[in-house]
Amino acid sequence: GAVVSQHPSRVICKSGTSVKIECRSLDFQATTMFWYRQFPKKSLMLMATSNEGSKATYEQGVEKDKFLINHASLTLSTLTVTSAHPEDSSFYICSALGQGQEKLFFGSGTQLSVL
Amino acid sequence: LAKTTQPISMDSYEGQEVNITCSHNNIATNDYITWYQQFPSQGPRFIIQGYKTKVTNEVASLFIPADRKSSTLSLPRVSLSDTAVYYCLVAFDYKLSFGAGTTVTVRA
Repeated sequence: GAVVSQHPSRVICKSGTSVKIECRSLDFQATTMFWYRQFPKKSLMLMATSNEGSKATYEQGVEKDKFLINHASLTLSTLTVTSAHPEDSSFYICSALGQGQEKLFFGSGTQLSVL
Repeated sequence: LAKTTQPISMDSYEGQEVNITCSHNNIATNDYITWYQQFPSQGPRFIIQGYKTKVTNEVASLFIPADRKSSTLSLPRVSLSDTAVYYCLVAFDYKLSFGAGTTVTVRA
């Protein structure tokens, strides 16, 4: 099956710093990528949808200036958590959809801990 | 987005068949039904997808009645490693809305 690689798997940072998370589709071109966050023992919450070459569409309540999403190529989308604070600590997951595909493939997730 | 309802948790024993039913009363004509499995600290993993009737693959079966207002994921002969959260999702444009999922615990 298709593979989506997410990096890093875990990151610890100081409050006020920015963190970039990468999501790559390894064997297909991802026209659309989705970003989610998940708190412990909770379900995934969709944060934003990104289409290659255009601005991301954010879900209600998600700050676009806080969570910068870039989908500059058909195989790479990045999520940057700017000026991270402890409340941003969470598990972030990406998923990708390629042209002609009928299901989403998910990355392995990134555990962000902000001290 | 179609809303889904699943049991919060289910317990089973190794070797048994586990059936998880999901209700999606307002599913749209173009919506597919997809099930994912998630282990702690990992991204969801695709299990099976269907539109109507029955779909079977190497790991599971999916039963969808004619009215498509529900679906049942069947896991044959579960093992301890099948302990996970299982999500039922319906979507047409792949903007998936995750419900709470069903935590399946398999005991020895």
